[in-house]
Amino acid sequence: DVQMTQSPSSLSASVGDRVSITCRAGQSVYNYLNWYQQKPGKAPKLLILAASTLHSGVPSRFSGSGSGTDFTLTISSLQPDDFATYYCQQSYYSPPTFGQGTTVEIK
Amino acid sequence: QVQLVQSGAEVKKPGASVKVSCKASGYTFTDYYIHWVRQAPGQGLEWMGCFNPKKGDIQYRQKFQGRVTMTGDTSDSTAYMELSRLNSDDTAVYFCSRGRSQLLPGDQWGQGTLVTVSS
Repeated sequence: DVQMTQSPSSLSASVGDRVSITCRAGQSVYNYLNWYQQKPGKAPKLLILAASTLHSGVPSRFSGSGSGTDFTLTISSLQPDDFATYYCQQSYYSPPTFGQGTTVEIK
Repeated sequence: QVQLVQSGAEVKKPGASVKVSCKASGYTFTDYYIHWVRQAPGQGLEWMGCFNPKKGDIQYRQKFQGRVTMTGDTSDSTAYMELSRLNSDDTAVYFCSRGRSQLLPGDQWGQGTLVTVSS
């Protein structure tokens, strides 16, 4: 299975901050990399697919970049609704695998 | 609007089986794969497998082979995931999700079904 490693595992930030989360794949997944947001007790929500394509309805403050093995999710100006756990997921190799998650907490 | 509505929480004894349903609405059921992803308490997300309602083909994660069965009823737009020989490690929230591909991403998710395995 392709291992996906996110960093950091958690971070504290303030409303208005620019936040970046990194995801590294154990081997190249080209641009087959997706990002999800999950809040406690809720299902994940798709934010970004194919590394940089914003899913329908997702605010433009979210963006994704990268290809191959290194990817980044950026929130340009953190909003109160963005405090959550974020997961990356590769969809190139079977089985699809997720990173361990990055929790964004209020500073 | 697109919805995936799952069946309610279950409590099972070790060795038993559980069957979770996922009813789809708001889209053509056969146009998307149905994926099953689970999340143990305080842990990350684990893909279990997927079912293709159009062709009926199924792909299971190797670790679940022989213990999981994924099916669907196109007349009712409902997918099912049955997991047998349950043990305490199977205590988790089980999600269904629809996706265009066999490998996700899932663009819509069910609300999750908590399965608790306890003697």
